[in-house]
Amino acid sequence: SYELTQPPSVSVSPGQTARITCSGDALPKQYAYWYQQKPGQAPVLVIYKDSERPSGIPERFSGSSSGTTVTLTISGVQAEDEADYYCQSADSSGTRGVFGGGTKLTVL
Amino acid sequence: EVQLVESGGGLVQPGGSLRLSCAASGFTFSSYSMNWVRQAPGKGLEWVSYISSSSSTIYYADSVKGRFTISRDNAKNSLYLQMNSLRDEDTAVYYCARDPGMATINWFDPWGQGTLVTVSS
Repeated sequence: SYELTQPPSVSVSPGQTARITCSGDALPKQYAYWYQQKPGQAPVLVIYKDSERPSGIPERFSGSSSGTTVTLTISGVQAEDEADYYCQSADSSGTRGVFGGGTKLTVL
Repeated sequence: EVQLVESGGGLVQPGGSLRLSCAASGFTFSSYSMNWVRQAPGKGLEWVSYISSSSSTIYYADSVKGRFTISRDNAKNSLYLQMNSLRDEDTAVYYCARDPGMATINWFDPWGQGTLVTVSS
C-alpha cells in the first residue's frame, strides 16, 4: 500500500526556521496537504495544493515541492506552533487517501 | 460559520455494530464531498472513507472495506458511517471532514471535533 514518510520529530528554538519533510512516490502526480494538530484538538489545514495557504493561517507557514518530497516550512517559529504536523495526499489514482506518520514539532 | 459535529460514538463489543453521524451546517452540504478519518489513541491519522457530493463515488481504506459503509443524506445535511464486525483495532476517534474534490480525494477542511469509538469486551 502507498505510504508517506515523515521524520518523527523536529526541534527548533523560537524564532528559528523549522522544516518538515514528507516523501512519497506519487507526490509528483498528486498534491500534498499539511495539517497541524494540537493535543486534544482536531487537525487544522495549514497548507493545500503543495504551497497554498488557507485564509487565517499565518504567513510564516509555507509549503514547497520537489520531486517525491514536499516540505512544510515554518519561519520564525513561535511557542504556539508546537504541535503534531501531518502531510496527506492520495495514491496515484486519487482513490485512496493517505497520511504521513506525523512529525512532532518541539519548540525549545 | 462552517461546522461539522460528529455523534454516535461509544463502547461496543468486538463483532458489534455502531453508526456514526456527522451534522453539517454553515455551507451547502450537497455541493461537497466528505470523508471519515480516524485516529487511534496516541497514534497518527488514518483515512477511512470518501463519498462524493451525490453519493455516486465511494472509496474505502482496505482496513475497513467490506465492514464499513459510508452514506449521506443531503436533505438532512448529514453524513453517516455504518460500522459492522468491529475489531479492537477500530478503537479510535472518528472525524468527519469536508473535501472540495468531485471524484478524487483532495484536502480536508474543516474537520469536526471527533467522536470516540471504543471496541472492547
